[in-house]
Amino acid sequence: DTAVSQTPKYLVTQMGNDKSIKCEQNLGHDTMYWYKQDSKKFLKIMFSYNNKELIINETVPNRFSPKSPDKAHLNLHINSLELGDSAVYFCASSQRLLTATDTQYFGPGTRLTVL
Amino acid sequence: DQQVKQNSPSLSVQEGRISILNCDYTNSMFDYFLWYKKYPAEGPTFLISISSIKDKNEDGRFTVFLNKSAKHLSLHIVPSQPGDSAVYFCAATDSGSARQLTFGSGTQLTVLP
Repeated sequence: DTAVSQTPKYLVTQMGNDKSIKCEQNLGHDTMYWYKQDSKKFLKIMFSYNNKELIINETVPNRFSPKSPDKAHLNLHINSLELGDSAVYFCASSQRLLTATDTQYFGPGTRLTVL
Repeated sequence: DQQVKQNSPSLSVQEGRISILNCDYTNSMFDYFLWYKKYPAEGPTFLISISSIKDKNEDGRFTVFLNKSAKHLSLHIVPSQPGDSAVYFCAATDSGSARQLTFGSGTQLTVLP
């Protein structure tokens, strides 16, 4: 069984649309994350989240919002998509409450293309 | 301003030889460092880490060296195997206050048979 899964794997959409990427982890971890891998290949943290605290990277536009229906899921909603949102988005999880030294387990990524 | 830099986007090494991947950082508050490995169409997977209280950590064929004065770390793989061909990301954090990792841009390692 895949530890951290994301759907869809590929997402192609028009500018201005609203879309969601789903993430699920079956590791029983407390904390989940969303990363964006930009065109220069840097992996940049967007959000760190558990059921008590959300840490938002200040550079993330408020068009992006994480939504967690339960501890095992952290979905990423994006409103009014822009061309610059095209990237690969990775979900990840770790055992403890937002402790950066804990090993993070990544999903396979979702390649978003905005036309 | 990139606080973690991997200046070599690619590296090719012959099978059986040593691979050395380098990483530099600028934030003097960073005290915990990790290497992740990524195959195509997969997410990064944790490989090895090191705390700033050490200057070396070894796990099988993988050794990470930390030079705090130079703000430099390196990952040594010996002997290199074709299955090691992947993108390697360096990451760092300030474990005392920051709760997020800062990643470099990765180095594509190709191990030639």
